[in-house]
Amino acid sequence: AQTVTQSQPEMSVQEAETVTLSCTYDTSENNYYLFWYKQPPSRQMILVIRQEAYKQQNATENRFSVNFQKAAKSFSLKISDSQLGDTAMYFCAFMNGQGAQKLVFGQGTRLTINP
Amino acid sequence: DVKVTQSSRYLVKRTGEKVFLECVQDMDHENMFWYRQDPGLGLRLIYFSYDVKMKEKGDIPEGYSVSREKKERFSLILESASTNQTSMYLCASSLLVGYEQYFGPGTRLTVT
Repeated sequence: AQTVTQSQPEMSVQEAETVTLSCTYDTSENNYYLFWYKQPPSRQMILVIRQEAYKQQNATENRFSVNFQKAAKSFSLKISDSQLGDTAMYFCAFMNGQGAQKLVFGQGTRLTINP
Repeated sequence: DVKVTQSSRYLVKRTGEKVFLECVQDMDHENMFWYRQDPGLGLRLIYFSYDVKMKEKGDIPEGYSVSREKKERFSLILESASTNQTSMYLCASSLLVGYEQYFGPGTRLTVT
């Protein structure tokens, strides 16, 4: 079974700094998808970024980018020029490319951006 | 604008009660999911459905059942609520394999 591990339960940085959230996963599959989701306080979970395992290029969405290391099974999220609105729980998630569309989530990282 | 709604934000029930959590999506998505979220454990899949009247067990189905009579609606049922089912419950839907799941706002259920 696939597992996802986020080793940083909490992180805190100053506004405008760059922060990197770590995620590792374990799978024997070759075709899969990886996601970062954001859950702001008392608000709905939303997708931050998505990576297809067969694509070597790292996904980027504005200030959010990933460092996808397939051989190391690592999928970290970098937030550049952090803003107060980035304060949230961040979840890394894995989905197998075939069969059931099950998302397997990590434990989450609580990120606080301080003014 | 995509939307997934859940019937209650907060719910308090007594041990042994039958509990219904409702989820509705307006995006004509085939796939719907129920997760529970607990601190330190992330989200864990309870049940999911690929189509009307179809359901499959997730990772933690014990103590739960589901119903999907219409495409847009997916219900989670706690047949006899227990205190260890106190949790945040999140519903989600998606259109295609490998693509985004859209989440509802969640229902925080307390069983006393």
